[in-house]
Amino acid sequence: DTEVTQTPKHLVMGMTNKKSLKCEQHMGHRAMYWYKQKAKKPPELMFVYSYEKLSINESVPSRFSPECPNSSLLNLHLHALQPEDSALYLCASSQAYSGTALQETQYFGPGTRLLVL
Amino acid sequence: AQKITQTQPGMFVQEKEAVTLDCTYDTSDPSYGLFWYKQPSSGEMIFLIYQGSYDQQNATEGRYSLNFQKARKSANLVISASQLGDSAMYFCAMGGGSNYKLTFGKGTLLTVNP
Repeated sequence: DTEVTQTPKHLVMGMTNKKSLKCEQHMGHRAMYWYKQKAKKPPELMFVYSYEKLSINESVPSRFSPECPNSSLLNLHLHALQPEDSALYLCASSQAYSGTALQETQYFGPGTRLLVL
Repeated sequence: AQKITQTQPGMFVQEKEAVTLDCTYDTSDPSYGLFWYKQPSSGEMIFLIYQGSYDQQNATEGRYSLNFQKARKSANLVISASQLGDSAMYFCAMGGGSNYKLTFGKGTLLTVNP
């Protein structure tokens, strides 16, 4: 069974708050991803971690700070967000990340719905 | 650059009938993979099926099958015997080759009517 968990499910924060999104996978995968998804749009890649090292940063503003404490955990630290950052944040994992997505099926978590006031 | 096109913003199907969701792609890479994901209103992206560009046979997973026509660059998803729980947004995606990330289509919203 695939299992990627995310907490919290919902988050409301003010523009001066600091919060964190958490993601955990129990599949022994070595690659983890953060995506942002606006309503009625496909997900947009933000970050990729491979073997606990940041491999890809899609020019994401510094108010989003990812962290990969170990191979099972991925955090996204949020600080001084803007209302336009309100979205569904999805975490995903795959067996590995080789620079191409050919063989690596990504399994997603349930997401965190973030509202920035 | 890779591109995915889903031309059906919305589709309706009666329960127990089959439905085909269209996906065409464009790439100059000889090696690539095609994926279908389902996203219910709850938000989770659920992986459904994968087809590699060199796979000779069409992929199948339970009620899901992928109609892969390489010459036409199409990778349509066929859902047999639709169920009410199939109502969701469906995304076609492509990866591999020169692209370092998945390219998603805009999605098709499927509604299954009782």
